Formats: sequence, structure tokens, C-alpha cells
Amino acid sequence: GAVVSQHPSRVICKSGTSVKIECRSLDFQATTMFWYRQFPKQSLMLMATSNEGSKATYEQGVEKDKFLINHASLTLSTLTVTSAHPEDSSFYICSAHRGIDEQFFGPGTRLTVL
Amino acid sequence: SQQGEEDPQALSIQEGENATMNCSYKTSINNLQWYRQNSGRGLVHLILIRSNEREKHSGRLRVTLDTSKKSSSLLITASRAADTASYFCANQGSSNTGKLIFGQGTTLQVKP
Repeated sequence: GAVVSQHPSRVICKSGTSVKIECRSLDFQATTMFWYRQFPKQSLMLMATSNEGSKATYEQGVEKDKFLINHASLTLSTLTVTSAHPEDSSFYICSAHRGIDEQFFGPGTRLTVL
Repeated sequence: SQQGEEDPQALSIQEGENATMNCSYKTSINNLQWYRQNSGRGLVHLILIRSNEREKHSGRLRVTLDTSKKSSSLLITASRAADTASYFCANQGSSNTGKLIFGQGTTLQVKP
């Protein structure tokens, strides 16, 4: 199957700093990527849809100024958690959409904000 | 919330037994997908069933879909200790945007 990578896999930062997470589709072009957040022992919650060449679409309750998404190319979407706080500590997972219903998930990024 | 529900939330069985997990969803769907997640890891796609399908098999996995009840079930037969993981259903709505709404998940423990 197709491969989606995320970088970094794990990041620890101080409160107030910004953290950028990259999501790359390695062997196909993805006009649409998705960002999910998963708190411990919970399910994945969709945060936003990242659209290549246009603004991201955010789900209700997700602050677009807090979670900046850039989809500058067909193989790369970035999520920047701005002014991170401990409550932003979570597992962030991206996915890349191909065709009608194929979706490939990255391995996730564990963010810990001290 | 559009998030679906899964039951049971947790399931513990002996190796060799069958495991059944159920999923209910709220919106109309294009397809429903099942994923596995080992602790702290990414998702592994297991099986996809389309809205016009009622049952699908893949190895030891059997998935059913009842669109009239907005529910799906995942059956794992002859379970193994390696099947220990969390299992999530995810429905892709009829808009074909690719957006997936995940259920709350079932944590399965298979004891050797």
C-alpha cells in the first residue's frame, strides 16, 4: 500500500512554543490530507481537512489560528500547533486521501507540552 | 457530535475464541472502514465495506453492514494474542470528500 510519513514521530516542547508537524505522501499525490488528534484511550477526532492550494477546512470547535495548516504541495501538509500548552499534548495523526475511498494514515506524532 | 459508538468498549477473550465488535454511526455513508491500532502506534487498515454491500470477508475477518440500522460488526475468528489491539470503525460520508468519522473504539485483549 501507499506510504505516508510524519515527522517528527515524537516531540517535547515547552509551553508557549510552536511546533510544526509534517505529513508526506511518499508515493502518490494527495490533493486532500486530513489531520486527526487522539487523546489517551480515546478515538481519533478529525481536526481539519487540508486542501492543496487552498485554505484548510476546520471542524467545529477547532481553532484555525491555533492549529495552522499549510498544504503547499501535493505531497506535503504541515500542521503547526502555535503557542502550545499542556492541554495540546496529544497524538496527532495525518492521512492522505487517494481516489474515491482510499486513505492512508501516517504513523502519528506524539506531542508532549511541558 | 457525529462520532459513532462502538460496543463493547473493552473485550477480553482467550486465544482461539471469536471476537465480535459492533459499531453504530449517525450519518449516511459511502463506505465504512475498520482499523486496528496497537498501543501508541498508527492505524492499520483492515477492511472496507461499501454502502451497497452487506458482508465482506478478509482472512479471519468478517464484516457486516446494515444500513437500515446504521450499524456494522467486525468478527475476528480464531483469535490470536497478536490480535490484541484497539479496533475502530470509521465511516466515510456520502459526500466523497474522504473525511472519516471514527467510532469510539473497542479495546480487545486476547489472552494466550
